[in-house]
Amino acid sequence: GEKVEQHESTLSVREGDSAVINCTYTDTASSYFPWYKQEAGKSLHFVIDIRSNVDRKQSQRLIVLLDKKAKRFSLHITATQPEDSAIYFCAARRDFNTGNYKYVFGAGTRLKVIA
Amino acid sequence: GPKVLQIPSHQIIDMGQMVTLNCDPVSNHLYFYWYKQILGQQMEFLVNFYNGKVMEKSKLFKDQFSVERPDGSYFTLKIQPTALEDSAVYFCASSLYWGGSYEQYFGPGTRLTVL
Repeated sequence: GEKVEQHESTLSVREGDSAVINCTYTDTASSYFPWYKQEAGKSLHFVIDIRSNVDRKQSQRLIVLLDKKAKRFSLHITATQPEDSAIYFCAARRDFNTGNYKYVFGAGTRLKVIA
Repeated sequence: GPKVLQIPSHQIIDMGQMVTLNCDPVSNHLYFYWYKQILGQQMEFLVNFYNGKVMEKSKLFKDQFSVERPDGSYFTLKIQPTALEDSAVYFCASSLYWGGSYEQYFGPGTRLTVL
């Protein structure tokens, strides 16, 4: 079945540096790629997404890159802050018009920003 | 922002008994989802529900599982009878499709412990 691999299980960066989390997917029909953040004891919180019609999207300090040929997408957090510390999940989904609605999640990356 | 609520936050139950997990989705959302996360593993899709029907389910959605949303109230996941391997955190999510928003909003999860 479809799989999403999240390559870094843990990542530590110094405050102010950039963090990069990489994901790959297997389903060539995937067209929507959201990222979620989960802080300790809390639910998943949407942070940013990218659709397959673009290869880059930025929202403030967050940048998502998508390489459809390599079936790879990545989350870049620039100028990291201690409050960025959390578990980040990538996910992939097909278009709604395929009748397929589920997200396939990666295993999560625990990001620690060291002050 | 919009919030999904889940009741209870933690449920302990003896193997073989029935359990109902309750989800209060975002009020105008049309699509509803359940995901299962075993401790230390990635979140996996169980089922998606729309307009009173199961649209898609995974192989994890065993015959002992059922979902419903009677009269627009809670979206529920019922497990009858429960098994030890059902111990996990169950996350509910909802999304609004019509109008173009694909984003799934997640609840805080219900930790189910089957003894």
